[in-house]
This record gives sequence, C-alpha cells and structure tokens, in this order.
Amino acid sequence: QKEVEQNSGPLSVPEGAIASLNCTYSDRGSQSFFWYRQYSGKSPELIMFIYSNGDKEDGRFTAQLNKASQYVSLLIRDSQPSDSATYLCAVNQVQGAQKLVFGQGTRLTINP
Amino acid sequence: DGGITQSPKYLFRKEGQNVTLSCEQNLNHDAMYWYRQDPGQGLRLIYYSQIVNDFQKGDIAEGYSVSREKKESFPLTVTSAQKNPTAFYLCASSMTQGGNSPLHFGNGTRLTVT
Repeated sequence: QKEVEQNSGPLSVPEGAIASLNCTYSDRGSQSFFWYRQYSGKSPELIMFIYSNGDKEDGRFTAQLNKASQYVSLLIRDSQPSDSATYLCAVNQVQGAQKLVFGQGTRLTINP
Repeated sequence: DGGITQSPKYLFRKEGQNVTLSCEQNLNHDAMYWYRQDPGQGLRLIYYSQIVNDFQKGDIAEGYSVSREKKESFPLTVTSAQKNPTAFYLCASSMTQGGNSPLHFGNGTRLTVT
C-alpha cells in the first residue's frame, strides 16, 4: 500500500460545478496535511493546509480531514478553467524534521 | 521579494558527467529540501537539511550529494552514479516549527542527460 494515495485522474468537471479531490494515507501518526496545485511544467504552489479534523475553508477552497478514516479531501467550488491543474496531496509524517510524502497527484480539467 | 531561486531552468549534460544544481533562498528559513519529479508522478525526497552543516538522506539519495555551508544555499550535485538522472528537480524550504510549516518551492530545474 502506498503511503499517500490519490486517484491520478484525469478528473473532468464542468465550469461552475464543485470539484472533489480525495487523498488517503496509511500512517495513523500523520499530523499535517497539505494540498498543492501544480500547473504543467511549473513548480507546486500551496493551496491549503489542515491539521485538525473537520473542515477548513479559504475562498472557493475547502479542505476536509478525517483522521479516523485516514483521508483528506479538497473541494473547489464554482470551478474555473484556471483551476485546471494537477493537485498534489502531501502528508507530514515526521515530527520536527518535516518530511512530506506526496501522492502522485490528480489531474483536474475544468470544461468551459 | 523573498523567495527561492533555482538555476539554471534547463540543463543538458552528457552521461558520465557530474552536474550541480543551484538553490538559494532569502526567506530566512532553516530547513531546505531537494525533490525529484518524474513525468506523471509525485515528488520524491532526495535530501534535506535542517541547519547549516547538517543534512539527511531522503528516500532516493543514491547518486546524489549535497552541501549546506550557508543558511541560504543548498546545492545538489547529480553524480555519474545516478542511473536515471533525467528529471525535474525541485528545491524547497520551510521554517522549522514543530514540523508543521508548509514548503515553499523554487521554480525547478529540468535536467536532461543524454
């Protein structure tokens, strides 16, 4: 079992709809969870991070964490064509010396 | 503006040659990292450093070497021992605060070895 798993997609969503991206992780000791967006040929940029169970909202983005079920998700409301990118889930598994383990990413396409 | 600078953006080398990728940050971050990304895949950790003159191997350190002589700089050398060096290399940094601080990435170096 991979440490951090994402559906590689591609995930296709119509413009204006909600895009839902999911990520599962294997280490129950994981404490910090990050979502990065990566456009083709570019470096990842931080979208959101979440540490506590529940929802965290930032504009059109909502991160959801369920530690008991070991999954974290990212919802994008009112999806725009500019949201088309690969979304990487990352999980911090080492306290102090931050060592992020990345999923393979989900490619999201927003169709106008 | 604070940030992380990687150079060069593109690098071409012949097989058997060592090559050094530059990474400089002015964010005053303690921790720095090198990741490798292959097409359609996530990021894999090569090396990381929490303080000057100290660094640890990541998951795929074989064939790579690093140094951390200054807080701002964390160069990566890809040696001839690395069997498949062609990839997109990403440098990152973070404040060390209980391991919860996010990574900030440079723009990456795309290395092609033929």
